[in-house]
Amino acid sequence: EAQVTQNPRYLITVTGKKLTVTCSQNMNHEYMSWYRQDPGLGLRQIYYSMNVEVTDKGDVPEGYKVSRKEKRNFPLILESPSPNQTSLYFCASSLYSDQPQHFGDGTRLSIL
Amino acid sequence: AQTVTQSQPEMSVQEAETVTLSCTYDTSESDYYLFWYKQPPSRQMILVIRQEAYKQQNATENRFSVNFQKAAKSFSLKISDSQLGDAAMYFCASLYSGAGSYQLTFGKGTKLSVIP
Repeated sequence: EAQVTQNPRYLITVTGKKLTVTCSQNMNHEYMSWYRQDPGLGLRQIYYSMNVEVTDKGDVPEGYKVSRKEKRNFPLILESPSPNQTSLYFCASSLYSDQPQHFGDGTRLSIL
Repeated sequence: AQTVTQSQPEMSVQEAETVTLSCTYDTSESDYYLFWYKQPPSRQMILVIRQEAYKQQNATENRFSVNFQKAAKSFSLKISDSQLGDAAMYFCASLYSGAGSYQLTFGKGTKLSVIP
């Protein structure tokens, strides 16, 4: 089954404790992105990748890191999480740049 | 930079009736794509419809259709014969990909309720 898989689905952690949210797709897609969703703000792009080793900042990259060492994986790293990063996070992928993205099921992060 | 505006935070519609959700966008690019996504309470993001900016013909997908007015930068979604399963958050989004950039910008969403 074609899918984008995020882990974990839920995480409660504390300020400053490094965490990684994994994202994997099995569709051989070139393009991958991370978004955060906050009430009243919609989804905002954090980082995107257009291919292996090619990543760039979206609209809200502060406090986040990403890497793209393999085509299928695009982890989101929070080196020193803070409470303002409490949010719902989505990973998404697409084969071509003009195609709609397939979204993962989301990761609910709570940082205390 | 792109911006997407959804001016209706909430809307409601009677079952079997028609409803139109508004979206306006602003971009300086000539080649871009527009989407409507649906997010039910399960929080999955589901593609509803896609429109290429270079096509004048409005996209349709079963009960869903758009009214794309490029000059006005307007991209509204019409849902016909509304069903209970249409109740969700709806997000309008604009995609620009070019010059080494890949930007998908979302509006803040419209919450649609369907009244039985």
